[in-house]
Amino acid sequence: GQQLNQSPQSMFIQEGEDVSMNCTSSSIFNTWLWYKQDPGEGPVLLIALYKAGELTSNGRLTAQFGITRKDSFLNISASIPSDVGIYFCAGRQTGANNLFFGTGTRLTVIP
Amino acid sequence: DAGVTQSPTHLIKTRGQQVTLRCSPISGHKSVSWYQQVLGQGPQFIFQYYEKEERGRGNFPDRFSARQFPNYSSELNVNALLLGDSALYLCASSLRTSWETQYFGPGTRLLVL
Repeated sequence: GQQLNQSPQSMFIQEGEDVSMNCTSSSIFNTWLWYKQDPGEGPVLLIALYKAGELTSNGRLTAQFGITRKDSFLNISASIPSDVGIYFCAGRQTGANNLFFGTGTRLTVIP
Repeated sequence: DAGVTQSPTHLIKTRGQQVTLRCSPISGHKSVSWYQQVLGQGPQFIFQYYEKEERGRGNFPDRFSARQFPNYSSELNVNALLLGDSALYLCASSLRTSWETQYFGPGTRLLVL
């Protein structure tokens, strides 16, 4: 199956700092999604992106659909303790009834 | 409103056994998808059902099967369990087959010994 690589694998940051993470693929995707997963729960959708170059915000979160359509980026501004969790990117290809998830970025926020 | 519910929450089986996992979608949702999440990895798509028909299938062996009932609830069956089947099995529901509006349940954690 498709491989979506996320980096960094994990991050330790101070409360109030900004966070950046990315997701890359060897294949082109027409939809990029970003999820957050807390322990013992299923993933929750944060942002959906549909066009190359698109920049979309959801509160303190901003995500971008890469121009090459092979990557996407997520930024979190002014991090707070409740931002702790695992962030996953996911991509869908045209005509495919399948969603591929990335390897995840584990975020720890130090108060 | 009740979200996606899954049962059981935890399950322990031995190699070679069979297991059935259950999922109840959000009221009004007609599509259910199943994912396998191995520890430390992202979810992997197994199946999608809409209106009781299979609409998508991931790269999983035939030991994995699923079905959707008239009330839109769903079951995932796994036969001849292997140690590598140990994972969190997630169910997600949506109104139609829209990936963007999927809501995930808490999952069933399966341990195969």
